Amino acid sequence: EAGVVQSPRYKIIEKKQPVAFWCNPISGHNTLYWYLQNLGQGPELLIRYENEEAVDDSQLPKDRFSAERLKGVDSTLKIQPAELGDSAVYLCASSLGGTIGDTQYFGPGTRLTVL
Amino acid sequence: EDQVTQSPEALRLQEGESSSLNCSYTVSGLRGLFWYRQDPGKGPEFLFTLYSAGEEKEKERLKATLTKKESFLHITAPKPEDSATYLCAALGGYQKVTFGTGTKLQVIP
Repeated sequence: EAGVVQSPRYKIIEKKQPVAFWCNPISGHNTLYWYLQNLGQGPELLIRYENEEAVDDSQLPKDRFSAERLKGVDSTLKIQPAELGDSAVYLCASSLGGTIGDTQYFGPGTRLTVL
Repeated sequence: EDQVTQSPEALRLQEGESSSLNCSYTVSGLRGLFWYRQDPGKGPEFLFTLYSAGEEKEKERLKATLTKKESFLHITAPKPEDSATYLCAALGGYQKVTFGTGTKLQVIP
């Protein structure tokens, strides 16, 4: 069974430029998460989707970050404009959903470098 | 505010030298405690979920335990391939998951 797929794996951009990350969750997983992970830190939740609905976006900096999950499958996370402090690894995870505490499966992440 | 603290930050063991990693949590209404393994350049890989104090789970050389305030990941006779960063995460009320900063384990042959 294929795992969570993310692309690109690496991205280098100049500050103030836009950037987008794509995630394809495990087939049949209704819940999708976007996390940010800084070096030496644990993942921090940005947004959680239940199917198409963003049920927790309290930690998403909405002035520059946006996300969508059309048709309740793939998801895109966008930053516009990017700032130097956005350099980090962006992780996508998915879970079956519907059960509190169900296992999250992570993708390999996208490493973003903002110059 | 929910908090998860892991110790030590880094641990260096000789192959075969057993030890434990600690995860202390302050979470309102704990609904689950997760352990993940993360290798460099990869996403976290799920190891265990613990739901209630007294629960224990094992997988190969790893054993996770849970009390009302902390969780331990015991590593018995580790091998070099066990080298990784081990993350714990707590699921509290409102289905919010809080991760610790991890313990970087190095097992020397």
